[in-house]
Amino acid sequence: KAGVTQTPRYLIKTRGQQVTLSCSPISGHRSVSWYQQTPGQGLQFLFEYFSETQRNKGNFPGRFSGRQFSNSRSEMNVSTLELGDSALYLCASSLVTGTSTGELFFGEGSRLTVL
Amino acid sequence: GESVGLHLPTLSVQEGDNSIINCAYSNSASDYFIWYKQESGKGPQFIIDIRSNMDKRQGQRVTVLLNKTVKHLSLQIAATQPGDSAVYFCAENRGGKLIFGQGTELSVKP
Repeated sequence: KAGVTQTPRYLIKTRGQQVTLSCSPISGHRSVSWYQQTPGQGLQFLFEYFSETQRNKGNFPGRFSGRQFSNSRSEMNVSTLELGDSALYLCASSLVTGTSTGELFFGEGSRLTVL
Repeated sequence: GESVGLHLPTLSVQEGDNSIINCAYSNSASDYFIWYKQESGKGPQFIIDIRSNMDKRQGQRVTVLLNKTVKHLSLQIAATQPGDSAVYFCAENRGGKLIFGQGTELSVKP
């Protein structure tokens, strides 16, 4: 059974650009969550999607957005990139929405560097 | 503000010894806690969870203890192995969001 797949694994952008990251969940999983990981702030929740609907949102500015498609694949977008957006972006999938279980399956992340 | 914190940023143990990783939380309404392990270059991996109606839960070589009185939980790893070297995070499921602690890096000496 394939795990959570995130693409691209590494990318470099410059300030002001925008970026789109992709996540394919484990087959059959309907919930996809996104987290930002930095050395200073640790792991922080961005948002969760379940059945194409955003179920929960963290405390990030509106420059961070996401969506989920009918096949459960998800994308997140960051517009007008800032240096502080440099981070590892992790996607996690689960069978049910995150309100009922912490057993999330994480991908290996997309490491974004903003110059 | 509310947070989930860890007592020690690093922990070094001898192979074969038991490891104890601690975590404190501040939200007394929290009712569900999870421990994750993150190896270098990988995403976090679920280890074990516990709900607030329990004090202890055991898995394979791991035990999680929850003390609601002092808002503290711990992860015990029995017979620590080199493969256990990683960063360990406690997390609190708060309304569908996982609130993570800063992590403890466990190093296992051969």
